[in-house]
Amino acid sequence: GAGVSQSPSNKVTEKGKDVELRCDPISGHTALYWYRQSLGQGLEFLIYFQGNSAPDKSGLPSDRFSAERTGGSVSTLTIQRTQQEDSAVYLCASSLVASYGEKLFFGSGTQLSVL
Amino acid sequence: ELKVEQNPLFLSMQEGKNYTIYCNYSTTSDRLYWYRQDPGKSLESLFVLLSNGAVKQEGRLMASLDTKARLSTLHITAAVHDLSATYFCAVDTDSGAGSYQLTFGKGTKLSVIP
Repeated sequence: GAGVSQSPSNKVTEKGKDVELRCDPISGHTALYWYRQSLGQGLEFLIYFQGNSAPDKSGLPSDRFSAERTGGSVSTLTIQRTQQEDSAVYLCASSLVASYGEKLFFGSGTQLSVL
Repeated sequence: ELKVEQNPLFLSMQEGKNYTIYCNYSTTSDRLYWYRQDPGKSLESLFVLLSNGAVKQEGRLMASLDTKARLSTLHITAAVHDLSATYFCAVDTDSGAGSYQLTFGKGTKLSVIP
């Protein structure tokens, strides 16, 4: 596609429910990243995928967070048993490869609100 | 832990004026990125600076990198309203293990007033 596509754009959920956020990267981009943007913490790295390599999960804040990338393209970020502190904008980005100096192309994000 | 600090965090300036946003970071790196974010929109890459002394310019924006001082600047010349946005700098977290994470500053919210 023309850009990184994320869905849904907005998600309101109740505390304790599970949510799935979807990211469709730019066609041909082998690297995919998830970041979280919140008022208190700014932009935080969560996880990235590069091709078929094992993902770097070092930014995931707890074991309630997980992500997968199927077929080297679409990615899903899953948050189990959501908490109010999970409320944030979840941004997905992709780049041609994962390498120093690569520009990241960001999607418009999913605004998650946990009530 | 890598820290990236921007200042100012808020900047209100008149059209036609010049100003500089500063980005300091706490560890050795020669890779510095600037992004722009419009309200309600996502981040757009502005500049990628990859060496000491690197300078890049696009329109009224010019970015530079001094790796010895661990400092990058984003200079705005003759500001116009269209430049109103939040500007983020980011640095690679160089763990030496090929980890391609960016650590972002908190952003500078720029408002250009007519």
